[in-house]
Amino acid sequence: GEDVEQSLFLSVREGDSSVINCTYTDSSSTYLYWYKQEPGAGLQLLTYIFSNMDMKQDQRLTVLLNKKDKHLSLRIADTQTGDSAIYFCAESMGAGTALIFGKGTTLSVSS
Amino acid sequence: NAGVTQTPKFRVLKTGQSMTLLCAQDMNHEYMYWYRQDPGMGLRLIHYSVGEGTTAKGEVPDGYNVSRLKKQNFLLGLESAAPSQTSVYFCASSFPAVGNEQYFGPGTRLTVT
Repeated sequence: GEDVEQSLFLSVREGDSSVINCTYTDSSSTYLYWYKQEPGAGLQLLTYIFSNMDMKQDQRLTVLLNKKDKHLSLRIADTQTGDSAIYFCAESMGAGTALIFGKGTTLSVSS
Repeated sequence: NAGVTQTPKFRVLKTGQSMTLLCAQDMNHEYMYWYRQDPGMGLRLIHYSVGEGTTAKGEVPDGYNVSRLKKQNFLLGLESAAPSQTSVYFCASSFPAVGNEQYFGPGTRLTVT
């Protein structure tokens, strides 16, 4: 079945890099996503990657995909206190299909 | 563009009461979705719609009904609320396009006592 797993918590110091990891089980996933949720708010799409890509970089964000191990990671460079939030990994099978979410990783950034 | 909006933002119901949550999007998206978010559970799909007049069940549809009479609106109904339906409800929308990027509303926090 479909399952997306994430570690629950990550704590870093301001200015350090953060790496949030995710594993998924469905090898037919076409797209993999990272969403950010701040307290009391909805989900904000940060970035996504096609399953035929290994890496995608977008300003401070770097997504790495190891399709063989079904492992996805999100690296945030120069982490700021404003990056404190819950980060969700999600997968989908293609256009118009539902997203399957992990349970979220709470990132805490201390100054 | 307002994007995806949801009303109401908060609601408290008593067991057995009914209510309708409204989702509206102004991006001309074909697809719309209702998810619920529970502590430690991530988001789970309740129902979705691939176009005006069509709806389909998701992972956790029991106790909910939906309607998509207009392309821009997707309604989620609870006919007889139960405490197990206490949750935060999110609506999302997307184009049936490469990337399948879904855009989320701000959520409705529902408490059933």
